[in-house]
Amino acid sequence: ELKVEQNPLFLSMQEGKNYTIYCNYSTTSDRLYWYRQDPGKSLESLFVLLSNGAVKQEGRLMASLDTKARLSTLHITAAVHDLSATYFCAVGLLGNEKLTFGTGTRLTIIP
Amino acid sequence: DVKVTQSSRYLVKRTGEKVFLECVQDMDHENMFWYRQDPGLGLRLIYFSYDVKMKEKGDIPEGYSVSREKKERFSLILESASTNQTSMYLCASSLNSGRVGEQFFGPGTRLTVL
Repeated sequence: ELKVEQNPLFLSMQEGKNYTIYCNYSTTSDRLYWYRQDPGKSLESLFVLLSNGAVKQEGRLMASLDTKARLSTLHITAAVHDLSATYFCAVGLLGNEKLTFGTGTRLTIIP
Repeated sequence: DVKVTQSSRYLVKRTGEKVFLECVQDMDHENMFWYRQDPGLGLRLIYFSYDVKMKEKGDIPEGYSVSREKKERFSLILESASTNQTSMYLCASSLNSGRVGEQFFGPGTRLTVL
């Protein structure tokens, strides 16, 4: 059974600081997704990571994937208030259309 | 842009009622999914469908059924709603890529069962 763990579950940080959210998974996979969810809204796709060593960046967010360590990170650089949201990682098993989601990290950026 | 729509944003039902949640996608995706989202539990898969009239149970199918008569539409049915089915329900769709495809989500239906 595929298990996906995110940490931390809650993160409160000041504007301008850097931080990293971690996503560990238990079984071999070669595709990992990061989603963002604003309060009361649905999930919006941020990054699709397709292979070991993949790195994607958009604005102040950068995601990376290490399939050997079964670990993905979402790094936030010089946080701004607009980044306050819940972030989910999701992993799929090879040959399977389903995704397993982490429990999410609720990020709050304090001015 | 992929568009996934859900029939209601908010729904209030009574215990024992039959409830239908509808989801429609306009991008000709083969796969469609129903999740429920609860605080502290993340998203849990209820059912998914990889083709018309095809369905597979997810992690928490008890108390739910689904219907997919047309490719673009996937319905979630609560045969007899109970208070523990109060939740946010999210529909998603994806291409059948041969590998795991990116899922696109609808706006969600917040269901309250009294």
